[in-house]
Amino acid sequence: DAGVTQSPTHLIKTRGQQVTLRCSPKSGHDTVSWYQQALGQGPQFIFQYYEEEERQRGNFPDRFSGHQFPNYSSELNVNALLLGDSALYLCASSFGVGYEQYFGPGTRLTVT
Amino acid sequence: SQELEQSPQSLIVQEGKNLTINCTSSKTLYGLYWYKQKYGEGLIFLMMLQKGGEEKSHEKITAKLDEKKQQSSLHITASQPSHAGIYLCGADMGNTDKLIFGTGTRLQVFP
Repeated sequence: DAGVTQSPTHLIKTRGQQVTLRCSPKSGHDTVSWYQQALGQGPQFIFQYYEEEERQRGNFPDRFSGHQFPNYSSELNVNALLLGDSALYLCASSFGVGYEQYFGPGTRLTVT
Repeated sequence: SQELEQSPQSLIVQEGKNLTINCTSSKTLYGLYWYKQKYGEGLIFLMMLQKGGEEKSHEKITAKLDEKKQQSSLHITASQPSHAGIYLCGADMGNTDKLIFGTGTRLQVFP
């Protein structure tokens, strides 16, 4: 049983560019959440998707957007990249509210 | 101030020693998660606690949630080098699955 997978592993982008990160949830999970983790900090909640809708959102600007597909996989898009967007982006999946959340290995984004 | 306080920030112990990491919230928790993270990698799920007074164990790691559901502790018995890493507590404060994380505890275990 594959766990949560994310792609790509690493990514280097230039300021002002756009980026798309991908996540496949653990088998049987229908809810996907995205987190941003800056160096030395705990993960910060970006948003959560359930039934292809954004169910809740953290304190992130509209430059951060997402999508969930019918197979429950998800994408995170970031437009107009800033140097401060450099971080580890983590995807977590669960079977719904109150159930265990499992994280993927993350995508390391570097903005130069 | 942080909604979720984790202590200590850093811990260096000799192999074989026991240790405890604490996680404290100012609000009642609907769920408390413990994760382990190797530097720059994803979070490895350890345990989830939901009920006041609940205690769970896995191998040499035990986690407890207090009766008021505002504080949790993670205890490692007879630590080993494989226990080294960053331990993060994550809390669901609104029964929404949105997790708030502490800043983590960096654990080093030396022979």
